[in-house]
Amino acid sequence: DTEVTQTPKHLVMGMTNKKSLKCEQHMGHRAMYWYKQKAKKPPELMFVYSYEKLSINESVPSRFSPECPNSSLLNLHLHALQPEDSALYLCASSQFPGLAGGLITGELFFGEGSRLTVL
Amino acid sequence: TQLLEQSPQFLSIQEGENLTVYCNSSSVFSSLQWYRQEPGEGPVLLVTVVTGGEVKKLKRLTFQFGDARKDSSLHITAAQPGDTGLYLCAGVNAGGTSYGKLTFGQGTILTVHP
Repeated sequence: DTEVTQTPKHLVMGMTNKKSLKCEQHMGHRAMYWYKQKAKKPPELMFVYSYEKLSINESVPSRFSPECPNSSLLNLHLHALQPEDSALYLCASSQFPGLAGGLITGELFFGEGSRLTVL
Repeated sequence: TQLLEQSPQFLSIQEGENLTVYCNSSSVFSSLQWYRQEPGEGPVLLVTVVTGGEVKKLKRLTFQFGDARKDSSLHITAAQPGDTGLYLCAGVNAGGTSYGKLTFGQGTILTVHP
């Protein structure tokens, strides 16, 4: 069983809806990540939080809004999405962030993902 | 952006066969990780290699990090249907503007037929 929990597992939303994805980890990790993954492709980094502060935003459109309420929780707020935003959204954590918010040797622990479909 | 070329992209084999997946780059990585992802799941870390020339074994899986820390390989012996999945290599960049960032290879989709 993964120690990174994501909810919901599946989400269908219209282009005018507002919804949120949630992620939780209780491993004491101090870095948390949002990735977007299209079918049969590698994950693409969206955001990195280091010690609960946003350290990396990979030029993600503002219709995606991350939030880190505390060291265990990570949210991704969704608003006015487009059909091309349909994808698997993965949350991950690592024990420590590396320099510049990246990794040195820290392994990523992924959740099972939230499958998002935008109609 | 530093690239990690992973090959082959697709691999379809029979149970019992051996296979090797490669990750190559012109850049140096401070460490390299291999993940396996099954359909509907998130990637799961298999191994991390750190030292140039390092070889690690995990049951039927053998991982190697190149001497110059620019390439890595994953060898599976006597593949089983349970090995089916997307295999991802990911390197931690050791220098340049992407220092400390994790770069994923394009992935290898492995299908092992009974």
